[in-house]
Amino acid sequence: EAQVTQNPRYLITVTGKKLTVTCSQNMNHEYMSWYRQDPGLGLRQIYYSMNVEVTDKGDVPEGYKVSRKEKRNFPLILESPSPNQTSLYFCASSYVGASYNEQFFGPGTRLTVL
Amino acid sequence: AQSVTQPDIHITVSEGASLELRCNYSYGATPYLFWYVQSPGQGLQLLLKYFSGDTLVQGIKGFEAEFKRSQSSFNLRKPSVHWSDAAEYFCAVGEAAGGTSYGKLTFGQGTILTVHP
Repeated sequence: EAQVTQNPRYLITVTGKKLTVTCSQNMNHEYMSWYRQDPGLGLRQIYYSMNVEVTDKGDVPEGYKVSRKEKRNFPLILESPSPNQTSLYFCASSYVGASYNEQFFGPGTRLTVL
Repeated sequence: AQSVTQPDIHITVSEGASLELRCNYSYGATPYLFWYVQSPGQGLQLLLKYFSGDTLVQGIKGFEAEFKRSQSSFNLRKPSVHWSDAAEYFCAVGEAAGGTSYGKLTFGQGTILTVHP
């Protein structure tokens, strides 16, 4: 089954404790992206990657890191989480082409930073 | 930069009534437009999309949307709402190749739909 998976689905942590949220897709997509969703703000892009070893900042990259060492994986790293990073996080992937390609979303990861 | 506005934060309708959720976008080229739905505690589900062609697009669950270039709008409609439609709805515009942020989806703030029995 074609899908985007995220782990963990739920996470409660404390300020300053490094964490990684994994994202994996099995569709051989070149493009992967992370979004965060906050009430009243919709979803905002954190980082994206056009292919292996190619990453770039989205609209709200502060406090986050990403890596793209393999095509299928795009982990989101919070080196020193803070309470303002409490949010619902979505990973998405798509093909890269001449026009727009529909993005497929993961199920989301709900993160609480105390 | 592209932007999306959903003017209505919260809409309440009675079951069986018609529904229209508003979406206005700002984008320099031909937009790629989407409507997503998020049920409580769930992920995002794509309702419908507009890439080109017929400006009236049909989606899942009986939803449709009409692209109006002159009004920069992409409103979502449903003729008869069911209680199971209660959810949050997001309009989004996607950036294609040639833009500075290929693939990026810019979302509106969301509209929460409440359905009364």
